[in-house]
This record gives sequence, structure tokens and C-alpha cells, in this order.
Amino acid sequence: KAGVTQTPRYLIKTRGQQVTLSCSPISGHRSVSWYQQTPGQGLQFLFEYFSETQRNKGNFPGRFSGRQFSNSRSEMNVSTLELGDSALYLCASSLGAGTAYEQYFGPGTRLTVT
Amino acid sequence: AQTVTQSQPEMSVQEAETVTLSCTYDTSENNYYLFWYKQPPSRQMILVIRQEAYKQQNATENRFSVNFQKAAKSFSLKISDSQLGDTAMYFCAFIHLTGNQFYFGTGTSLTVIP
Repeated sequence: KAGVTQTPRYLIKTRGQQVTLSCSPISGHRSVSWYQQTPGQGLQFLFEYFSETQRNKGNFPGRFSGRQFSNSRSEMNVSTLELGDSALYLCASSLGAGTAYEQYFGPGTRLTVT
Repeated sequence: AQTVTQSQPEMSVQEAETVTLSCTYDTSENNYYLFWYKQPPSRQMILVIRQEAYKQQNATENRFSVNFQKAAKSFSLKISDSQLGDTAMYFCAFIHLTGNQFYFGTGTSLTVIP
């Protein structure tokens, strides 16, 4: 079974631009979560989608948004990029929502904002 | 607020030796799950071990075991017979039994020295 895939793997953008990242979960998984990883901050939760609905959202500004499609693929969008948005963005998928289900992580998208 | 603290940013261990990574957490809840995740240099995060707070017995997965001290809110990871492939960033994580959001520590970078 194929793992979680994320595209693109690397991205360079300039301040003020917007960006869209994509995550394809493991086949059959219906939950997708997004995290921002920066040195010294660890992983910070952005949001989680389950069956096309956002279940939970972390403490990030409204510039960060996401959505999930009927095939469970998810996209994350960041508008008006700032230098501080430079990070590794990880998505994780699981069979269902909730603690009973193990999260499987993708390789991440490395976003650099200049 | 829920927080996870990993006080050791970097650690090293000789191959075949044993190393312990520390993690403390803060919560007012009684039912939750604790995890250790491993992120090798290739960036794919994988689950190492999981502990349910209601279980008194410490979880074990082959060379990996935890020391769960619920009263002290401590959750350390012991790696026995360290191997070169154990070189990675290790993250401690926490989620409530009925929660929607994982809380991660800032990570410990472990290097196994041949």
C-alpha cells in the first residue's frame, strides 16, 4: 500500500505570494491532519479534516486554510506569505478521526519564503 | 493548556549502548495517550511506541521501551542496543482520549556513534 504523499517536496516563494500544498493520504484513510515544523518549535498543529469537514483547527492566523476532497486528498493554502512561514509542512493521515487511529506521516513539503 | 517538554535538544550514544530520552507533559485530564515518534534524516515520521495513560504497564516494542510515570507526568523513551539506524529526531506527543489535537514536543536529536 502506498504511503502518504505530499507535493511538491520543495517550494520557494517570495513574501506576499500565496501557496498551495497537496497531500494524498493512504488509500482508505479518511482523516488528514496538517502540521508546521520549525527548528526549536517542533510540530505545531494546523488543522484536521475528516470526510471533507474540518474537525479541529490550531492557533494559526486565517492566512492558513485547507480543504479536503471527496477522495480524501487534502490541500493546504497559505496566503500573503511571510518570512516566518518558512517551514516543513507535514501532513498525516489516519483511518478515522480520534485517538484510536495511528497517524501516518508524509515526507513533508519544505517551504522557503524569501 | 497542554504542553509537552523535551529538555534534551541533542543527545549521542555509542552503538550497542542504551540511551534514555526524556519527556514531560502537562495536562489536567486523566485519560490520554502518549507517543514517541521518530523522524530520520529522510523526514518520514514514524510511530515508535504508544502508551495509554490508563495502563500501568509500560509499553515495549522490541528495543524500545518507555518509563511512564503518570503522577510525575513523565514519559521517557529507552532505546537499548542502539543501532546506527536509530539516528533521528525523536518527538514526544500527547493527545487526550477524547481530543482532536496532538501536542508535540520540540524534539531530541539523537546521534548513534559507531
